[in-house]
Amino acid sequence: AQSVAQPEDQVNVAEGNPLTVKCTYSVSGNPYLFWYVQYPNRGLQFLLKYITGDNLVKGSYGFEAEFNKSQTSFHLKKPSALVSDSALYFCAVNDYKLSFGAGTTVTVRA
Amino acid sequence: GAVVSQHPSWVICKSGTSVKIECRSLDFQATTMFWYRQFPKQSLMLMATSNEGSKATYEQGVEKDKFLINHASLTLSTLTVTSAHPEDSSFYICSAPEVGLIETQYFGPGTRLLVL
Repeated sequence: AQSVAQPEDQVNVAEGNPLTVKCTYSVSGNPYLFWYVQYPNRGLQFLLKYITGDNLVKGSYGFEAEFNKSQTSFHLKKPSALVSDSALYFCAVNDYKLSFGAGTTVTVRA
Repeated sequence: GAVVSQHPSWVICKSGTSVKIECRSLDFQATTMFWYRQFPKQSLMLMATSNEGSKATYEQGVEKDKFLINHASLTLSTLTVTSAHPEDSSFYICSAPEVGLIETQYFGPGTRLLVL
């Protein structure tokens, strides 16, 4: 079965510092990997996806993620975090159905 | 991007009543929609896959008689929580993939259900 894992429950960074949210995957075949963000009491917003091609994927709001096959990772990154990036982030893999990681709460302090 | 709406955004009901939640794809057709449940500060758990014109497919452990799903058209799926109890209180979210783009799903804003 396809699955993803987010090893960190929380990530805290200062505004202006780089932000990294970690995700590792376990899939057979080529993975379809996604990052979503959820603000309080809201649905999920799509950030970016990896289907095939370039390992560095650029997405919304200045986020990017790097697909690393040897490390089976798909970490989400942002060079300079904003307070407004504080939210719950989910990594997901799609094998017809989406399977989500447990989520990582990001807090960016001013 | 594509838009998925849900109605209502929140609902409070008495124990024993039934509640219907609608999920609509506003600018695209969706032969398949997905229903998720999310507890506070937790991940989304897939409840069922709603299929237009056929029966829904439920995940293991989800009571199909409790959570009735109807996919009446290519733009509308409904989830009815029957005889709701306080333990059914949760955040319910639907999603829909664009036709031909199964890997890309669009999520509704969610429905907060509180059963008293």
